[in-house]
Amino acid sequence: GENVEQHPSTLSVQEGDSAVIKCTYSDSASNYFPWYKQELGKGPQLIIDIRSNVGEKKDQRIAVTLNKTAKHFSLHITETQPEDSAVYFCAASRYSSASKIIFGSGTRLSIRP
Amino acid sequence: GAVVSQHPSWVICKSGTSVKIECRSLDFQATTMFWYRQFPKQSLMLMATSNEGSKATYEQGVEKDKFLINHASLTLSTLTVTSAHPEDSSFYICSARRGGEETQYFGPGTRLLVL
Repeated sequence: GENVEQHPSTLSVQEGDSAVIKCTYSDSASNYFPWYKQELGKGPQLIIDIRSNVGEKKDQRIAVTLNKTAKHFSLHITETQPEDSAVYFCAASRYSSASKIIFGSGTRLSIRP
Repeated sequence: GAVVSQHPSWVICKSGTSVKIECRSLDFQATTMFWYRQFPKQSLMLMATSNEGSKATYEQGVEKDKFLINHASLTLSTLTVTSAHPEDSSFYICSARRGGEETQYFGPGTRLLVL
């Protein structure tokens, strides 16, 4: 079945440095790739998404890249801040009325002051 | 906006009782709603998908008679955990999606503790 692998499982970076989280997906028909941030005790919050017709998307300090050939996509956070500490989930889906999102296993990001 | 609410945010109940969790899309109409459960330090596990006015589609291994889902309107879905047992204790999260769109918007979650 469809699978999304996410690495690393934990990541600690110095405040101000960049953080990169990588994911691979198995379903070549996937065409939508959202990233979610989940703070402790809260539901996931969409932070950025990318569709398969685009190779890169940026929103302020956050950027996502997609390599369809290799079935890889990555989240880049620059100039990290303490409030970036959370669990981040990548996901993949192929849109249809019956489609569901396949989540990665999550990355716990800690920002060291 | 795309705000999804859940009620209650947390609930404690005795073993054998039933618990109902509500999921509402506050500022949009959700043709599809999803229910997930999440154990500590784990990813989200999809339990079921519900379309307004239709029966829910359950994932493999999820008992439909134990986890009753009703999607009665375009803004409300409910999950009822029947005859809850301690192993049902978890964080239950719903999400909602507009018709014709891919993005799922998540609620804040409901923490269930069964004693």
